[in-house]
Amino acid sequence: AAGVIQSPRHLIKEKRETATLKCYPIPRHDTVYWYQQGPGQDPQFLISFYEKMQSDKGSIPDRFSAQQFSDYHSELNMSSLELGDSALYFCASSLYIGGNTEAFFGQGTRLTVV
Amino acid sequence: GENVEQHPSTLSVQEGDSAVIKCTYSDSASNYFPWYKQELGKGPQLIIDIRSNVGEKKDQRIAVTLNKTAKHFSLHITETQPEDSAVYFCAAPYQAGTALIFGKGTTLSVSS
Repeated sequence: AAGVIQSPRHLIKEKRETATLKCYPIPRHDTVYWYQQGPGQDPQFLISFYEKMQSDKGSIPDRFSAQQFSDYHSELNMSSLELGDSALYFCASSLYIGGNTEAFFGQGTRLTVV
Repeated sequence: GENVEQHPSTLSVQEGDSAVIKCTYSDSASNYFPWYKQELGKGPQLIIDIRSNVGEKKDQRIAVTLNKTAKHFSLHITETQPEDSAVYFCAAPYQAGTALIFGKGTTLSVSS
């Protein structure tokens, strides 16, 4: 079965640079979520989109932005990178049928800021 | 907003023993409680979930119980195996939406 695809899997950037992470949800899923997971920590919700519109907003810094495109893939844009942005970034997708349904996570993008 | 607390942070058991992980939540309106298993270098994977209209759900060696009055839910793993070793996260809805807020995680180690 198709899973959530994230690219790139690994990314190294310098401070103050920008980064773009991509997420391709499971086919027919209409909702995408972005989470940030620091070392030894739980995933922290950043932002989500339903049918290409922002649906919920979590602890996403103002330096970050995201969008969902017409083909339902999503991109997380990160600017003015800081050392503290080094983390695993997960995308998850689900099919909205009213209320919570199973969210499937991708394998993540490991971002290292040096 | 919702707050989820998870205990214990680490749990070591012998193969074949049972393991129990407990979570409490703060928002009485929350109605969906999933459990995720995360192996090293991988994304979280849903292992079982429960909705507020039932008190218990079981899937082979894994079960989840929910006490809405006390606002806590627990993961029960019976006949543990070394491959059960991983970090387990409980979760609840984030601010009444479909996103999730996670507990801090429990590192389960099963020794043979």
